[in-house]
Amino acid sequence: DAGITQSPRHKVTETGTPVTLRCHQTENHRYMYWYRQDPGHGLRLIHYSYGVKDTDKGEVSDGYSVSRSKTEDFLLTLESATSSQTSVYFCAAGRGTDTQYFGPGTRLTVL
Amino acid sequence: GNSVTQMEGPVTLSEEAFLTINCTYTATGYPSLFWYVQYPGEGLQLLLKATKADDKGSNKGFEATYRKETTSFHLEKGSVQVSDSAVYFCALSDRAGNQFYFGTGTSLTVIP
Repeated sequence: DAGITQSPRHKVTETGTPVTLRCHQTENHRYMYWYRQDPGHGLRLIHYSYGVKDTDKGEVSDGYSVSRSKTEDFLLTLESATSSQTSVYFCAAGRGTDTQYFGPGTRLTVL
Repeated sequence: GNSVTQMEGPVTLSEEAFLTINCTYTATGYPSLFWYVQYPGEGLQLLLKATKADDKGSNKGFEATYRKETTSFHLEKGSVQVSDSAVYFCALSDRAGNQFYFGTGTSLTVIP
């Protein structure tokens, strides 16, 4: 896992509430990523970061925002959760186009 | 654009059978290619990778060769074990954009 943790590991929330997921890495990787995994879609990139305070959108960024104030932490926020955001969320980190290392995932259920 | 297409699953094999999971890609430039494995309830782990044409990645008895002429990176193993049961993802990295593109995953179940 290359020192990548995610919190919480499971969360159930209600539609319209804000949710923040945290990813923490200990390997000083420059790049960090947030993906969602859904049946039939594989992994889809939500946002990524290429340095502190440097972020960019991925394929499915609508309804999500991110922040990276320290190298080791990358936060994913759902400002107002919807049922379509029920998914498993994975954080990854790496040094660019080389190998990505994944966290264990967060299972989010929006009721 | 960049994309990865891998064979639909699920795949069920008997122990010691030969495994092939097909993967083809579309990319601009010269991507690196990866196979990741996901065991139940876990995140993805790198299985093997290849960074240029004709390179062969290998690990734990699995192999894949980067074929630029056929834009393919098929995963093979000569004799699967029950412990190989997992979901396998083919992926490519975009050197220009520092992004990864994943296939939809192929579920493998190996029965004794």
